[in-house]
Amino acid sequence: DAGVIQSPRHEVTEMGQEVTLRCKPISGHNSLFWYRQTMMRGLELLIYFNNNVPIDDSGMPEDRFSAKMPNASFSTLKIQPSEPRDSAVYFCASSLRQGAADTEAFFGQGTRLTVV
Amino acid sequence: GNSVTQMEGPVTLSEEAFLTINCTYTATGYPSLFWYVQYPGEGLQLLLKATKADDKGSNKGFEATYRKETTSFHLEKGSVQVSDSAVYFCALSASYNTDKLIFGTGTRLQVFP
Repeated sequence: DAGVIQSPRHEVTEMGQEVTLRCKPISGHNSLFWYRQTMMRGLELLIYFNNNVPIDDSGMPEDRFSAKMPNASFSTLKIQPSEPRDSAVYFCASSLRQGAADTEAFFGQGTRLTVV
Repeated sequence: GNSVTQMEGPVTLSEEAFLTINCTYTATGYPSLFWYVQYPGEGLQLLLKATKADDKGSNKGFEATYRKETTSFHLEKGSVQVSDSAVYFCALSASYNTDKLIFGTGTRLQVFP
């Protein structure tokens, strides 16, 4: 398996533009997570899905952020409109939850977003 | 709520030195505990884990013991290498709810030859 695949790896956009980040989880995994990493705030969980259903979106900063998971093999994180303070590395991770809480999360390589 | 506290970095060591990175947690119930490592330009990778009190997780010479009495999960390695230079994250997963991981802020380790 190729692991969790994120695209693009780097994105530079102007303030006010819409940004869409994409994630393909590992085949067979049923949980998917979106994290944001910054120097100031560290690694923050934005939202996570289980069986394509959003379970916890309490980490989504504000209404400008939205995430979807239309099927088990694809998820998007959209920022509209983008702002310079959204600049960060965004990670997608997936895991196979089988009732236990000690499952390993596999991370993608991240998307480095720069909003100018 | 659940949280993880790690020692601040960077931790700077010479090759073959002994490493300790402290991690303490706050959680209800009996969480599972993890150490993840992030090499430059990459995503996080699981390094080791422990799922119950007194368990010891180990991998690549790294060890951590789940201490419920002190709510700690300190990472140790007897002899670090330059290739161990990375950012290390302590994390927990609450046992009663989900596989959602709560991470500490990360500790950067720099090993010099």
